[in-house]
Amino acid sequence: QQQVKQSPQSLIVQKGGISIINCAYENTAFDYFPWYQQFPGKGPALLIAIRPDVSEKKEGRFTISFNKSAKQFSLHIMDSQPGDSATYFCAASKPGGFKTIFGAGTRLFVKA
Amino acid sequence: GAGVSQSPSNKVTEKGKDVELRCDPISGHTALYWYRQRLGQGLEFLIYFQGNSAPDKSGLPSDRFSAERTGESVSTLTIQRTQQEDSAVYLCASSSDRGLSPLHFGNGTRLTVT
Repeated sequence: QQQVKQSPQSLIVQKGGISIINCAYENTAFDYFPWYQQFPGKGPALLIAIRPDVSEKKEGRFTISFNKSAKQFSLHIMDSQPGDSATYFCAASKPGGFKTIFGAGTRLFVKA
Repeated sequence: GAGVSQSPSNKVTEKGKDVELRCDPISGHTALYWYRQRLGQGLEFLIYFQGNSAPDKSGLPSDRFSAERTGESVSTLTIQRTQQEDSAVYLCASSSDRGLSPLHFGNGTRLTVT
């Protein structure tokens, strides 16, 4: 019940295309869903996050779509650029001092 | 400093030696995590500290691994009798809230066991 399942494991997209990464969770008590971006040699950094009271959040080329009934959320990267090539992690957390749960990660490569 | 600081950034040690890795979280952050990341792999949870609560040690892979945190400040991760399979990047992260704030990661300590 504590798992967050992330897919695909890896993704290759042409420059200018749309990258889509999906995550699914089981525990309905989760109420904070961040996405992290990690470049080689660096720690993950927060990219964008959403709470379940909204179905979509957009920041520049990055959008989170959230489907509460299906217990799924996804990251869309519009107009993907080679500089977006990185590993992306979804995560979920809930109040009360419980630890954040991470998905397994998606390695994105954007071809120039 | 403004971010999470980890030291050393790189550590090479001989098999069988003990190592100690340090994490300085962002001031005021009550939650602190340790993760292990093998090359090209995901984040393997090791241990979680939250305020004065008992730490969640459920991710520690063996009794060779231990971690301590002094109050809401520095944490050290100790690996005793290191093995080659311990080679990885060890990441520390801190957070300001009880589950509703993002984690701030350090850049990790790259451990190589020869």
